[in-house]
Amino acid sequence: KQEVTQIPAALSVPEGENLVLNCSFTDSAIYNLQWFRQDPGKGLTSLLLIQSSQREQTSGRLNASLDKSSGRSTLYIAASQPGDSATYLCAVGVYNTDKLIFGTGTRLQVFP
Amino acid sequence: NAGVTQTPKFQVLKTGQSMTLQCAQDMNHEYMSWYRQDPGMGLRLIHYSVGAGITDQGEVPNGYNVSRSTTEDFPLRLLSAAPSQTSVYFCASSYSSLAFTDTQYFGPGTRLTVL
Repeated sequence: KQEVTQIPAALSVPEGENLVLNCSFTDSAIYNLQWFRQDPGKGLTSLLLIQSSQREQTSGRLNASLDKSSGRSTLYIAASQPGDSATYLCAVGVYNTDKLIFGTGTRLQVFP
Repeated sequence: NAGVTQTPKFQVLKTGQSMTLQCAQDMNHEYMSWYRQDPGMGLRLIHYSVGAGITDQGEVPNGYNVSRSTTEDFPLRLLSAAPSQTSVYFCASSYSSLAFTDTQYFGPGTRLTVL
């Protein structure tokens, strides 16, 4: 059974720092991996989608990498800002199903 | 486009009551799904649909029913509410009928409390 883990559960950093969020999964048979952002009391917003054949995707200050063989993905946020404060979740598309399995998220706080 | 809409935003039920959570999308998406989000457990898939007339179970389907009579709507029915169903419920959709190939669009959520 696919399990997705995100460490750390919470992170607090000063503005301007570069930071890395981690996502690990137990079964490398995935179609893709997605990173989402969730603001308090709101729904999820998709940030980046990496297909299983890709190694990374970039959008602005965000860069996500995927290493299927080791079951890991990282989300790199450059020059963090207070507006980046949110919970970040990763989800994997499970092979041979129509399902996404989510991690429990990393709650990020960026203070001025 | 309104995107994915959910109603109501908040709901309080008594144990044993039934209700329907509404979800609609105006993007002509094939794939629609329902998740519940509980503290420390992430999002768990309840039911999903790959097109009108087709539904299937996710990880935690017990106590919930769904139907998909149109492409736009995907209601979630709680048959007999229990306190364990207290949660935040999210509806999501994507263009492709395959969840894993496409960006997922989420609704704003329904916060449900069962007393």
